[in-house]
Amino acid sequence: QKEVEQDPGPLSVPEGAIVSLNCTYSNSAFQYFMWYRQYSRKGPELLMYTYSSGNKEDGRFTAQVDKSSKYISLFIRDSQPSDSATYLCAMSRNTGGFKTIFGAGTRLFVKA
Amino acid sequence: EPEVTQTPSHQVTQMGQEVILRCVPISNHLYFYWYRQILGQKVEFLVSFYNNEISEKSEIFDDQFSVERPDGSNFTLKIRSTKLEDSAMYFCASSKTSGAQETQYFGPGTRLLVL
Repeated sequence: QKEVEQDPGPLSVPEGAIVSLNCTYSNSAFQYFMWYRQYSRKGPELLMYTYSSGNKEDGRFTAQVDKSSKYISLFIRDSQPSDSATYLCAMSRNTGGFKTIFGAGTRLFVKA
Repeated sequence: EPEVTQTPSHQVTQMGQEVILRCVPISNHLYFYWYRQILGQKVEFLVSFYNNEISEKSEIFDDQFSVERPDGSNFTLKIRSTKLEDSAMYFCASSKTSGAQETQYFGPGTRLLVL
């Protein structure tokens, strides 16, 4: 079983739609949960970070963590064509070296 | 806004040659990382570096790889004898402190092609 599972998509939605992106993980020791956005041939850009179970909102983005189910989600409201990118979930635990494990990334296309 | 920079943006080398990838982390950051992303695959952790020593490394980071902070601003990744399978995008990242390790800021990457 992979440590982090993420559907690679692609996911295509019309402009204005609510987008739901998800990851599951197997290691219950993970403490930190992140979502990165990566445009083609660019470095990952941190979007959201959460430490505990629950929801965290930032503008049009909401990150959700359910540690009991080992399931994390990112919701994008009122999606825009500029949101078209690959979204990477990532997680880590304090091992002293802060190794971060990434999901495979979901490619999102928002059509105007 | 401060950012992580990497040079070169592209590097082409022959198999067996040594390459050095350079990074300038954000100036007040203390933790430094290298990741790689083979084309079409996920981002993979290579190594983390703090207080002038490696704090963690992955199984990918074998004896062919080394990292160094030669001065107060640069952070380098050296691959001693490149293999075809080292062709990938290499990302440097940095973070401020241990309490904020999750906020790693990534550079734009160096695309390495080994022929």
